[in-house]
Amino acid sequence: NAGVTQTPKFRVLKTGQSMTLLCAQDMNHEYMYWYRQDPGMGLRLIHYSVGEGTTAKGEVPDGYNVSRLKKQNFLLGLESAAPSQTSVYFCASSSGSGSEQYFGPGTRLTVT
Amino acid sequence: ILNVEQSPQSLHVQEGDSTNFTCSFPSSNFYALHWYRWETAKSPEALFVMTLNGDEKKKGRISATLNTKEGYSYLYIKGSQPEDSATYLCALNTGNQFYFGTGTSLTVIP
Repeated sequence: NAGVTQTPKFRVLKTGQSMTLLCAQDMNHEYMYWYRQDPGMGLRLIHYSVGEGTTAKGEVPDGYNVSRLKKQNFLLGLESAAPSQTSVYFCASSSGSGSEQYFGPGTRLTVT
Repeated sequence: ILNVEQSPQSLHVQEGDSTNFTCSFPSSNFYALHWYRWETAKSPEALFVMTLNGDEKKKGRISATLNTKEGYSYLYIKGSQPEDSATYLCALNTGNQFYFGTGTSLTVIP
């Protein structure tokens, strides 16, 4: 079991470029989440999904889009990257809304 | 946006000492309270998920209590060991949404 994996691990983008972060889980979890981690702040929820084909906004969704076409994958897209999106992005999954979350290793994104 | 506060922000204790941290949260919209342990260069790992007022959970030397009416949870570590050094996060779960505190960074000095 790989658990939760994230691709890529690191990325540098220029302002205005686009990219997609991939999260994959092999635990057959229904729920998946995308968070960002910034210095001095707690993990903040960007978007989440409660099942294949569903997505919903979290606390800080602006500037991001997501898709959950397959149960095991949750994609986070940045259409036009901004320096304010420089952050470490974590994906997580869980079996239910109140269940413990399993986190991926994170993706460090720098937007110059 | 719901405010989840953790105190202290950081803590240094001697090996063998017992310690505790606090997580405060708004008691409205409560569904569950999560505790995670986050070691440097790793990902957060779940310690406890607590749902009932008065809940007490234990895992080895680590335990947690929950008071949903007054909106706080305590995490206790008995006989701290160097391997307990990590950041401890709490998160308020309001159903599908999660609101994390900024964590308590624990350093256990051998």
